[in-house]
Amino acid sequence: DAGVIQSPRHEVTEMGQEVTLRCKPISGHDYLFWYRQTMMRGLELLIYFNNNVPIDDSGMPEDRFSAKMPNASFSTLKIQPSEPRDSAVYFCASSFELQETQYFGPGTRLLVL
Amino acid sequence: AQKVTQAQTEISVVEKEDVTLDCVYETRDTTYYLFWYKQPPSGELVFLIRRNSFDEQNEISGRYSWNFQKSTSSFNFTITASQVVDSAVYFCALSERNSGNTPLVFGKGTRLSVIA
Repeated sequence: DAGVIQSPRHEVTEMGQEVTLRCKPISGHDYLFWYRQTMMRGLELLIYFNNNVPIDDSGMPEDRFSAKMPNASFSTLKIQPSEPRDSAVYFCASSFELQETQYFGPGTRLLVL
Repeated sequence: AQKVTQAQTEISVVEKEDVTLDCVYETRDTTYYLFWYKQPPSGELVFLIRRNSFDEQNEISGRYSWNFQKSTSSFNFTITASQVVDSAVYFCALSERNSGNTPLVFGKGTRLSVIA
């Protein structure tokens, strides 16, 4: 299995621009998670989906952040407009069940100037 | 509320030394799962082990071993004969079966540096 795939691996953008991060979960996994990692706050869960339906988005920091999962093999995390404080590594993870092991993608390193 | 504490922020050892990374957790659930992940300098998060609350047997995998003790709510990770490639940040995490909260709660991580 290819594992969780994320793109792009690196993104540099200017404040105010729209950023879209993409994720392909492991085939057969029903749960998909989006995390953000920063030095100050560590790993934070932003949102997670079950069978393409958002279950808990309480970790999404602001209305500037949105996430979708149009089908079982694709999810996006969008930031519009981006701000310098959004600079972080964004991870996507997937699991078979909620308490099963979450397997992480390689992450997208986002820098907002 | 579920909580994971990794009190050791950074550890530095000389190659071939043994090192133990501590993890203490808090939960009110009787069924829960504990995890360890490794984050090497390249940045990815690598799954190492998953343990359920009913299995207190220690686990050994090569140079890695895990000691799960419910009496002290600890799930410690030991690396025997450490190597430079073990240098990474290690995260302990907790998942409660009946949680209406965050599915997986991570500790702050322990940065391990193995010096040649």
